Amino acid sequence: QLQLQESGPGLVKPSETLSLTCSVSGGSIRGSSYYWAWIRQSPGKGLEWIGTVYYNGTTHCNPSLKSRVTISADTSKNQLSVKLNSVTAADTGVYYCARPRGLWVGEMWDVWGQGTTVTVSS
Amino acid sequence: DIVLTQSPGTLSLSPGERATLSCRASQSVSRSYLAWYQQRPGQAPRLLIYGASSRATGIPDRFSGSGSGTDFTLTISRLEPEDFAVYYCQQYGDSLALTFGQGTRLENK
Repeated sequence: QLQLQESGPGLVKPSETLSLTCSVSGGSIRGSSYYWAWIRQSPGKGLEWIGTVYYNGTTHCNPSLKSRVTISADTSKNQLSVKLNSVTAADTGVYYCARPRGLWVGEMWDVWGQGTTVTVSS
Repeated sequence: DIVLTQSPGTLSLSPGERATLSCRASQSVSRSYLAWYQQRPGQAPRLLIYGASSRATGIPDRFSGSGSGTDFTLTISRLEPEDFAVYYCQQYGDSLALTFGQGTRLENK
C-alpha cells in the first residue's frame, strides 16, 4: 500500500528557506508516470496547490509561487522535495505531498501524506 | 486562475438528513474536471468525487456529485455521524493552475 510521509523543520525564520521532504513507500517514483504534488493548507488561503514533479524532474508550479519554489524528485531515495525561499508568515501552514489518481499533469489526488506543520516565525 | 466559490460556508444538519453543497466556478471548468474532498479534523483531505460525478474507490453511494460548466453540487443523501466534516471542491480543468474552493463546514445540528 502506497504511503507518503512528509518531514522537515517545524519552524522557519522569516526570509529564510523552507525545505521539506516526502518519503514514498510501497511504490516507486521512478517510472511511475505520476505527477507527484505538493499542496499546502493555511488559515488564510485554505488549500493551495504548490506544484507537481515528474520522476524525470519535469516540474509545474503554481504561478503565484513560481518565483520562490523549487520542487524535485530523487528516484534513488524514492523521495520528493520542496523548497520555498524568502518565506513570510503567510507561508505558515500544513504541507502535504500527494499522488494523483490519474497520469495527467492536471489531476485530483487520492493518496495523501499526513502533512507536516510549518510555522514561519522569528 | 479559476476561482471556486463554495456555499454555504457552514451547513447545520442532523444525521439522516440530506446535505446539498454548492461549488461555483468563475469560468467554465473544462470537461467537468471537478473533484470533491472531505476533510476531518487533523486529517488530510480524502477524495470523494472526480469528474464531477464519479465516486472514488471505497466511497459510499450516499455521496453523489453533479453539475457542469460553472455550477457543481455535492449531495449526501442521508447523513451519517462520520460525514460531519469540511468539504472542498477542486478544479483540474486548468491543468497548470489547479485551484480549490474555500470549503463548506458541515456541522451536526
